[in-house]
Amino acid sequence: KNEVEQSPQNLTAQEGEFITINCSYSVGISALHWLQQHPGGGIVSLFMLSSGKKKHGRLIATINIQEKHSSLHITASHPRDSAVYICAVRHSGGSNYKLTFGKGTLLTVNP
Amino acid sequence: GAGVSQSPSNKVTEKGKDVELRCDPISGHTALYWYRQSLGQGLEFLIYFQGNSAPDKSGLPSDRFSAERTGGSVSTLTIQRTQQEDSAVYLCASSLGQGAKWGLNYGYTFGSGTRLTVV
Repeated sequence: KNEVEQSPQNLTAQEGEFITINCSYSVGISALHWLQQHPGGGIVSLFMLSSGKKKHGRLIATINIQEKHSSLHITASHPRDSAVYICAVRHSGGSNYKLTFGKGTLLTVNP
Repeated sequence: GAGVSQSPSNKVTEKGKDVELRCDPISGHTALYWYRQSLGQGLEFLIYFQGNSAPDKSGLPSDRFSAERTGGSVSTLTIQRTQQEDSAVYLCASSLGQGAKWGLNYGYTFGSGTRLTVV
């Protein structure tokens, strides 16, 4: 079993829809990252969370430490949001520098 | 610089040749990381530098892979005798430090990656 599991693997939405991507992890962490990767592009860090909730524009990220679960929400989705969204956790303890990644969620937003 | 810079952005090489991938981190970032993303796979950790030292090389897949960092800045990932399974996007990231205390974590900045194709 992977240490970081994302769902869904693929998601297709219509412009304007509310999107939720989920991430569950099984290890102790010091932080959780949500990353965005466009086709052929590099990775952009969207959020780094250690508790609660963060909001940037139309993006909202939440984390529940007790349940080892995080969600990324996109409100009023737009075709330019189409990308792969990756959840990554930073381990607690001795390997705290290392990120373990989920396999990503491919989001396609149609006009 | 303003961001993490990687070069080349694309590299096609023949099987058996050596390649060097370069990463120029954000100025002042002491921590530098190399990750690899193979087709259809998630990102995997390769190596971590703190300053010029590499406390963790555990992700390097074989002894054909090596990396160094000089002056606490630029890092080079070298792959010797490339094989087709080395084809992947190689991503570099840097951060201010590696403090792990809850709430004092440092964010990562990723480069755009080098797409390596071994033919």
